[in-house]
Amino acid sequence: AQSVTQPDIHITVSEGASLELRCNYSYGATPYLFWYVQSPGQGLQLLLKYFSGDTLVQGIKGFEAEFKRSQSSFNLRKPSVHWSDAAEYFCAVIKAAGNKLTFGGGTRVLVKP
Amino acid sequence: DAGVTQSPTHLIKTRGQQVTLRCSPKSGHDTVSWYQQALGQGPQFIFQYYEEEERQRGNFPDRFSGHQFPNYSSELNVNALLLGDSALYLCASTPGSGASSYNEQFFGPGTRLTVL
Repeated sequence: AQSVTQPDIHITVSEGASLELRCNYSYGATPYLFWYVQSPGQGLQLLLKYFSGDTLVQGIKGFEAEFKRSQSSFNLRKPSVHWSDAAEYFCAVIKAAGNKLTFGGGTRVLVKP
Repeated sequence: DAGVTQSPTHLIKTRGQQVTLRCSPKSGHDTVSWYQQALGQGPQFIFQYYEEEERQRGNFPDRFSGHQFPNYSSELNVNALLLGDSALYLCASTPGSGASSYNEQFFGPGTRLTVL
């Protein structure tokens, strides 16, 4: 069965500092990988996705993620965090067919002024 | 263009009752998926509807059922509510069948269900 692990439940970062959120997946075949963000009272918004090709993926809001097959990881990064980036972030995977998302437990990001 | 809408926003029920949640997909989308997000956890897939039929189902009991209407809107029904059913219920829509290829899922704001 496929699974997604986000090891960090909470991360606190200062505004302007860099941010990296970890994601590890367990899946036999090549997965489709996603990062979503959820702000309070909001639905999930897609930040970026990886299907194939270049392993460094650029997303919205200045985020990027790198797929590392050897480490079964898909970590999310942002060079300089803004206060508006405070939210919960979810990594998710999907089979090649089926369109059923499997989410990690999420990482809550707090931004200090 | 309206995105995915869900109603109601909040709902309070007691154990044993039944509840119906509603979802209107984004314009042009014909596939609707439902997810349950318990407090402090990631969303879990409940089921997906396309062409008015349930196409995929997650690991949820038969108390959870759904329906899709000809206009692609969808309902999630939960019978015999348990305390553990308290969660945020998210609806997501995509264009085209989800069975053969991936299309981005657009999520609604969710319905917060509290079971007392």
